[in-house]
Amino acid sequence: EVQLVESGGGLVQPGGSLRLSCAASGFTFRSYWMYWVRQAPGKGLVWVSRINSDGSSTNYADSVKGRFTISRDNARNTLYLQMNSLRDEDTAVYYCAREADSGLSWYLDLWGRGTLVSVSS
Amino acid sequence: QSVLTQPPSASGTPGQRVTISCSGSTSNIGSYTVNWYQQLPGMAPRLLIYINDQRPSGVPDRFSDSQSGTSASLAISGLQSEDEADYYCATWDDSLNGPVFGGGTKLTVV
Repeated sequence: EVQLVESGGGLVQPGGSLRLSCAASGFTFRSYWMYWVRQAPGKGLVWVSRINSDGSSTNYADSVKGRFTISRDNARNTLYLQMNSLRDEDTAVYYCAREADSGLSWYLDLWGRGTLVSVSS
Repeated sequence: QSVLTQPPSASGTPGQRVTISCSGSTSNIGSYTVNWYQQLPGMAPRLLIYINDQRPSGVPDRFSDSQSGTSASLAISGLQSEDEADYYCATWDDSLNGPVFGGGTKLTVV
């Protein structure tokens, strides 16, 4: 089955760290760009970060630049998001998503179920 | 404040046709095709429409989209109770060098 499964979320204090993982299965993980998208409680979707297929290129939203690091292990079919210096406003469900291999347009064609990160003292 | 602007809510009765708008700028919708996502209550988003009215397997043809200039819209015909969900537009943005999403529209089937 083609799927993405996130893990690693939880409750953390402000200033703390957390590492999220996203296990991919059912497709050739190493061929795809991968994304992290988050959704604060009751709010909309917001892009966080993306990484190219071999891990050599990364991009971040301004709100997380310098604090979050995206990486991947293609041998383990796993995407990661290392989150440091966490703030209250980082509280959200974090989704792992796959960019479609389109060549014509940008879109995310596969999403995980998400993992909840709560930042609170 | 989302880069793409959507109405926060929309509603319709069963069988009706409803549309949801999405407004952007030349750096996003004006340059790239818009795609749409559906998020059922308590669930993850799923791709609904991409590349000019293409639908993934399993998405009924009651869903369609259109795009012109810096605006796009999603149309749902023959509205059903199962269509009650949040809908998001999205596309690439050259200024941000990343994808942008609309704020989402909560569709209620009354």
